[in-house]
Amino acid sequence: AQTVTQSQPEMSVQEAETVTLSCTYDTSENNYYLFWYKQPPSRQMILVIRQEAYKQQNATENRFSVNFQKAAKSFSLKISDSQLGDTAMYFCAFSNTGNQFYFGTGTSLTVIP
Amino acid sequence: DTEVTQTPKHLVMGMTNKKSLKCEQHMGHRAMYWYKQKAKKPPELMFVYSYEKLSINESVPSRFSPECPNSSLLNLHLHALQPEDSALYLCASSQDQKPIDTQYFGPGTRLTVL
Repeated sequence: AQTVTQSQPEMSVQEAETVTLSCTYDTSENNYYLFWYKQPPSRQMILVIRQEAYKQQNATENRFSVNFQKAAKSFSLKISDSQLGDTAMYFCAFSNTGNQFYFGTGTSLTVIP
Repeated sequence: DTEVTQTPKHLVMGMTNKKSLKCEQHMGHRAMYWYKQKAKKPPELMFVYSYEKLSINESVPSRFSPECPNSSLLNLHLHALQPEDSALYLCASSQDQKPIDTQYFGPGTRLTVL
C-alpha cells in the first residue's frame, strides 16, 4: 500500500523568507504523480504544484518549487518570498496508474508578519 | 469557470433525520468525488464517480448514499447518521479519473450530527 508522510505537523516562517515543507512517500511503482495542495483557513483546497515521476526536472510555479528526489522518495515544497496569504494547511498527495489517490497528514504553515 | 459549488454550507441534523448534500460543477469534468475531512486531518476519500457511474466506494457505511443524476451534479444522501459523522464534507471534480488530473475542490459542507 502507498503511504504519504509529512513529518512536520506545524511550521512557521517570517514574511518574505523561504520555507521548505517535507514529504516522503512509499511506493513500489515507477510511474506516479505527486501533488501539493493548499487549504487556507475556511477556504477551498487548491492545487499548488504537481510533478510527474517520469520527469526529472523539478516543477516550479512562480514562488513555489519542488525538490523531487525519486530514489529517496522525497517530494519537498519550497515557498520563496513567503506572503501572509500562504498561511494554510499544505497536503502532499500521491496518485498512481491504478487511480488510487492518497493525501499526506498535512503541515500547518503560519506566515508571521 | 473553475468553480465547484456545494450546498448547504452548514448543516445540523439529528440522528433520525434524512438530508442531502449537493455538489455542482460546470467545467465539463467527468469525474466527481466525495471526501470526509475531520479537523486538522487530511481528506478521506469516500466515493468516486466516473462518467456518472460509481467507480470507487471506500467501504463507506450505507447511511451515506451517493447519487450522480448527471455529469454536473453529485449528491450525498444522509440517513441515520452518528455524531462521529460530524465533519467537513468536500466535493471535488477532475477532467477525468486519470492520475495526472488535478482535482478541483468545493468549499465543503460543515455537518454537525446531534
